[in-house]
Amino acid sequence: GAVVSQHPSWVICKSGTSVKIECRSLDFQATTMFWYRQFPKQSLMLMATSNEGSKATYEQGVEKDKFLINHASLTLSTLTVTSAHPEDSSFYICSAAGALAAADTQYFGPGTRLTVL
Amino acid sequence: AQKITQTQPGMFVQEKEAVTLDCTYDTSDQSYGLFWYKQPSSGEMIFLIYQGSYDEQNATEGRYSLNFQKARKSANLVISASQLGDSAMYFCAMREGLGTGRRALTFGSGTRLQVQP
Repeated sequence: GAVVSQHPSWVICKSGTSVKIECRSLDFQATTMFWYRQFPKQSLMLMATSNEGSKATYEQGVEKDKFLINHASLTLSTLTVTSAHPEDSSFYICSAAGALAAADTQYFGPGTRLTVL
Repeated sequence: AQKITQTQPGMFVQEKEAVTLDCTYDTSDQSYGLFWYKQPSSGEMIFLIYQGSYDEQNATEGRYSLNFQKARKSANLVISASQLGDSAMYFCAMREGLGTGRRALTFGSGTRLQVQP
C-alpha cells in the first residue's frame, strides 16, 4: 500500500524559533496533501489543503503567515511553524491523495509531535 | 454545525466480546464517504473501513463491520471478538462527494475503547 512519511517524528524547540515538518509520499505522487492538527485528547482538525504547485488553502482561524505550507513537488509538502509558541504545541499529521488514487483513498503520515518550551 | 457526532467518549469491552461504536453524521450531499480510523497511543491513524453512500451492502473488513443506516444517518463500527490490541482511540470521519480523494476528511470527537482481559 501507499506510504506517507513525516519528519521529524517529534521535535522540541524554544519559543520564538521556527520548525519545519516534512510530509513525503514514498511510492506515489501526491497531488493533494492535507495538514491536520490534534491537541491532546481531541480530534483532528484540518488546518490547510495544499495542491502541488499552487498556494495552500487554509481553514478559517488558521494563520497562513504563521503556518507556512509549501507543496513544491508531487512527493513533498512542508509545514513550517514560524515563531512557535507554547500554544502551538500539538500533534501535526499530514495525509496525501494521489492523482491516480483509488476514488476515496487518503494515506496518513505517522504524525509529528511538536513541543514548544 | 457538528457534521460527525460520536456520543461515546469511552467504552469498555471484555476480551472476545463484540462492541459497537456509534457515529452519526450530517450532510445534505447525496454522495459522501464514511470512514473509521483507529489511533493507538503512538498517534498514527490506521484506516479500518470505508462505506460509500451508494453502497447497498454494509462494509466489512475482517473483524470490523460498518452498520450503515442511511435514513438514520448513522455509521456505527462493530468490532467482533475484541482483542487487547484493539484498545485505542477510534474516529469516525466523513468526506462529502465521491471519487474525491482530494477532499479533506471531517472527524468526529472520537471514542476511547478499552478492552479488558
